[in-house]
Amino acid sequence: GENVEQHPSTLSVQEGDSAVIKCTYSDSASNYFPWYKQELGKGPQLIIDIRSNVGEKKDQRIAVTLNKTAKHFSLHITETQPEDSAVYFCAAREGQGFSFIFGKGTRLLVKP
Amino acid sequence: DSGVTQTPKHLITATGQRVTLRCSPRSGDLSVYWYQQSLDQGLQFLIQYYNGEERAKGNILERFSAQQFPDLHSELNLSSLELGDSALYFCASSVAGTVTDTQYFGPGTRLTVL
Repeated sequence: GENVEQHPSTLSVQEGDSAVIKCTYSDSASNYFPWYKQELGKGPQLIIDIRSNVGEKKDQRIAVTLNKTAKHFSLHITETQPEDSAVYFCAAREGQGFSFIFGKGTRLLVKP
Repeated sequence: DSGVTQTPKHLITATGQRVTLRCSPRSGDLSVYWYQQSLDQGLQFLIQYYNGEERAKGNILERFSAQQFPDLHSELNLSSLELGDSALYFCASSVAGTVTDTQYFGPGTRLTVL
């Protein structure tokens, strides 16, 4: 079955710096990859997603890149702000089904 | 606020007991999902319903069951509880239940099994 590895598990950056979180997946049939942000005491919130027919997608300070050949995808946050501090999860669609496999999460701390 | 409500917020119970978690989806959403989040297993998909029918099943134990009612609210039933069932349980909802639909997560129910 699908397996998703996420790195790093924790990431500390200075405000204004960039942050990059990387995920790899195992099922070459996966074709949809969402990213979630989870703030303390709240449920995950979708922040960006990418489909396998696209190599990159941007939304303001957030971008996601996908390398289908290498089976990895990354989240890029530029000009980080303290409110970006949260746990970020990547996910990959499980084959052609309706479910997802999630990475273990990255705790991002943006220091002012 | 995502518009998804979950009750109760916290639940403390003993091993062997049975509990019911409740979820009300966002207005207009037809699909609900249940997830379990624990420190060792991370976030795991349990089950999805669309308009009252089961659509997808993930790593849901046989001791767990769920249903979606005609008014679209959903309940997750956990029975014969074990210490390892202690976790955060999230409900999410989406409009049509397709894979690329945005899922909106509720605030979760924290279950503690003593």
